[in-house]
Amino acid sequence: DGGITQSPKYLFRKEGQNVTLSCEQNLNHDAMYWYRQDPGQGLRLIYYSQIVNDFQKGDIAEGYSVSREKKESFPLTVTSAQKNPTAFYLCASSISGRNTGELFFGEGSRLTVL
Amino acid sequence: AQSVAQPEDQVNVAEGNPLTVKCTYSVSGNPYLFWYVQYPNRGLQFLLKYITGDNLVKGSYGFEAEFNKSQTSFHLKKPSALVSDSALYFCAVRDMLGDSSYKLIFGSGTRLLVRP
Repeated sequence: DGGITQSPKYLFRKEGQNVTLSCEQNLNHDAMYWYRQDPGQGLRLIYYSQIVNDFQKGDIAEGYSVSREKKESFPLTVTSAQKNPTAFYLCASSISGRNTGELFFGEGSRLTVL
Repeated sequence: AQSVAQPEDQVNVAEGNPLTVKCTYSVSGNPYLFWYVQYPNRGLQFLLKYITGDNLVKGSYGFEAEFNKSQTSFHLKKPSALVSDSALYFCAVRDMLGDSSYKLIFGSGTRLLVRP
């Protein structure tokens, strides 16, 4: 079945540690996105990528980094510079960032900083 | 800048009754509007979208939404609620990015609780 796979589903991290969240899609979609979800705040865009080897900052990119070395993969690293990293992280994709269609989401990764 | 607002944090309705989840938008140009649903600790699932055409849009699981340009609203509706409809609902609007591509801007979400 086609879809978006995020791992791990739950992750605990000590302060000062970097952590990488995986996002893989087999939908052959060009565009991929990372959103952060906090209670009562909806979803906020962290980074997005329209094509391989290219990505752009979203609204809250500070303390995060990404790579897009393959079309199907868009990992997110939460660095120690992120002041409040505890959140639910959602990866999404779309056929192209230039169409009008919907985004397809993964199941999310919940990061808790201890 | 494009934005959407969901004025209700929670909506309570009895099973079998009609439900409405409200969304208002603010855009420059023609709006591209979406509704998503999220179950606990899950990703978002697409319900429906309005791009152009009929003001009443039908979507998944018996949901529909009414686009009202004069009131800048895009309310989600269902004629008869089910307990299984209980979830978090997000309204979203398409926003243009600097490189001519798009992202979605989401509202803060409305929790729907359907009681038996």
